[in-house]
Amino acid sequence: ETGVTQTPRHLVMGMTNKKSLKCEQHLGHNAMYWYKQSAKKPLELMFVYNFKEQTENNSVPSRFSPECPNSSHLFLHLHTLQPEDSALYLCASSQYHPPGGQYFGPGTRLTVL
Amino acid sequence: EDKVVQSPLSLVVHEGDTVTLNCSYEVTNFRSLLWYKQEKKAPTFLFMLTSSGIEKKSGRLSSILDKKELFSILNITATQTGDSAIYLCAVTYTGTASKLTFGTGTRLQVML
Repeated sequence: ETGVTQTPRHLVMGMTNKKSLKCEQHLGHNAMYWYKQSAKKPLELMFVYNFKEQTENNSVPSRFSPECPNSSHLFLHLHTLQPEDSALYLCASSQYHPPGGQYFGPGTRLTVL
Repeated sequence: EDKVVQSPLSLVVHEGDTVTLNCSYEVTNFRSLLWYKQEKKAPTFLFMLTSSGIEKKSGRLSSILDKKELFSILNITATQTGDSAIYLCAVTYTGTASKLTFGTGTRLQVML
């Protein structure tokens, strides 16, 4: 597989569930990102990992917990989410230095009931 | 607070028309401006603009940056129905190579 892949593509969960989103990049990049896209809002950067180290956390609630075991894989662990967390969650990767365009995965459409 | 504003918010044109999409920004420590096309799901990267006045071109799409007036335009000539999408612009920052701030996007619909 090439590019950036995400699983699952769709997820419906209750507020008490725990689930994880997975992202994998096959581009040899060293930075990975999680974004949230809600209806009629700009893409919101959630987390950034550079060489597996978290470098950005944009005031994201602790019910979202990222994990980056290596430069190719990124997870977003979800627990006790709220209905307003329903959104499209996009993963992206890029070269950190020199900075280049970010390449996005297809996203996970999350619905919290 | 950093701002990235795109206009118009939405646009409907007919095939063959030329469109110009605008992106203005007010940010500190500006490094570059990126354009993306988002169809059903993932945004796809179009251009990165770092220098003023240098046009980037890819087929019927072209873009230019004005760092003095703090804006960029994306031109699409001879539009086709396949150009229908949301076009996003984003800015990057010096000193924080990874951070992007996105605009809300322009929704373009190209009719037959």
